[in-house]
Amino acid sequence: DVKVTQSSRYLVKRTGEKVFLECVQDMDHENMFWYRQDPGLGLRLIYFSYDVKMKEKGDIPEGYSVSREKKERFSLILESASTNQTSMYLCASSSPLWGYNEQFFGPGTRLTVL
Amino acid sequence: SQQGEEDPQALSIQEGENATMNCSYKTSINNLQWYRQNSGRGLVHLILIRSNEREKHSGRLRVTLDTSKKSSSLLITASRAADTASYFCATPQDGGFKTIFGAGTRLFVKA
Repeated sequence: DVKVTQSSRYLVKRTGEKVFLECVQDMDHENMFWYRQDPGLGLRLIYFSYDVKMKEKGDIPEGYSVSREKKERFSLILESASTNQTSMYLCASSSPLWGYNEQFFGPGTRLTVL
Repeated sequence: SQQGEEDPQALSIQEGENATMNCSYKTSINNLQWYRQNSGRGLVHLILIRSNEREKHSGRLRVTLDTSKKSSSLLITASRAADTASYFCATPQDGGFKTIFGAGTRLFVKA
């Protein structure tokens, strides 16, 4: 059974902290994505990666960075967390022909920044 | 506004009834996908319809695509309480390098 896992389901951090969100997939997918989901706004793409050590900015990359040192792992980093980064964060992966093939999502991390 | 926009934003029906959700998009696409999200969870892929297809079925799901109107609909027949979820349409953009998700339709099926 294909699987995308995220390191935490719920996370509470303080303003200014550095936050790491980890995502691991076991499907040998080349493509991995980080989205944030906010009420009424749907999913917005933060960053994506189409290969190890490769990364591309999505629609809302400000305040975030990513790391992909291994094919199966894609990390999202909040360098200095702010309250407006309180959100649900979703990781996904897909095989090539992206845009044609389905994306597999993790269960999400609900991050609260106080 | 977003590439994919679902309508209605929310829908409440009785178990056994059919539920129809619509999605409109703005640019040309080569496929459109529908996803389901149970409360507080990740999204699950339901069905993909290609631009040369007009209708597609999967179990109790029926998806239509009208490229001339840039719209798609998702029909869930004989709904069950377990169908309660948010439903999103998704379309590729930028040559397939991005997938744009709409804001979703929240479906509530009353037992």
